[in-house]
Amino acid sequence: ETGVTQSPTHLIKTRGQQVTLRCSSQSGHNTVSWYQQALGQGPQFIFQYYREEENGRGNFPPRFSGLQFPNYSSELNVNALELDDSALYLCASSPRTSGGAPSYEQYFGPGTRLTVT
Amino acid sequence: AQKVTQAQTEISVVEKEDVTLDCVYETRDTTYYLFWYKQPPSGELVFLIRRNSFDEQNEISGRYSWNFQKSTSSFNFTITASQVVDSAVYFCALSMYSGGGADGLTFGKGTHLIIQP
Repeated sequence: ETGVTQSPTHLIKTRGQQVTLRCSSQSGHNTVSWYQQALGQGPQFIFQYYREEENGRGNFPPRFSGLQFPNYSSELNVNALELDDSALYLCASSPRTSGGAPSYEQYFGPGTRLTVT
Repeated sequence: AQKVTQAQTEISVVEKEDVTLDCVYETRDTTYYLFWYKQPPSGELVFLIRRNSFDEQNEISGRYSWNFQKSTSSFNFTITASQVVDSAVYFCALSMYSGGGADGLTFGKGTHLIIQP
């Protein structure tokens, strides 16, 4: 069984640029969540996607947006990058029951380390 | 609003000692889930345990055990006979029962556990 994968591993961008991060969910998992983890901090919830729609959002501005594709993979897009966006971006996938109930167990990928200069 | 507090920023013990990581949470929900994750230097968050708010039974898994006390809003994690491989950052997290809404986790700031040989 393949776990959650993320690409790229590392990325360096300049302030004001745009970035796209990618995530492939674990086999059989149809829900994807994205988190931002600043150095020395716990991860912070950005948003979650289920059935290709945003299903909930944390306290992040609209320049953080995402997509989910029919194969459940997902993208995180960040526009107008700021220095404070430098962080480890984690993707997590989780299954839902056939009735749509969340499982509440999230399995994380290795993350993408984004540096904004 | 939900909050998770891990007051111990860093703990250092000698191998084979027992160590307890503290977690205190705040939530207004009556139904919620608590989690512990391990983050080794590689960065990937490893799921350790999930507990729902209705189940206050302590759980043991090998050298790991968890003590959930609703009366004190605590969910502490004990490692018995610690090993060098246990060195990592450990996060406690909380998820409200959303019934299908956002299932983002609220994380504490983590406890950096150092096991010295």
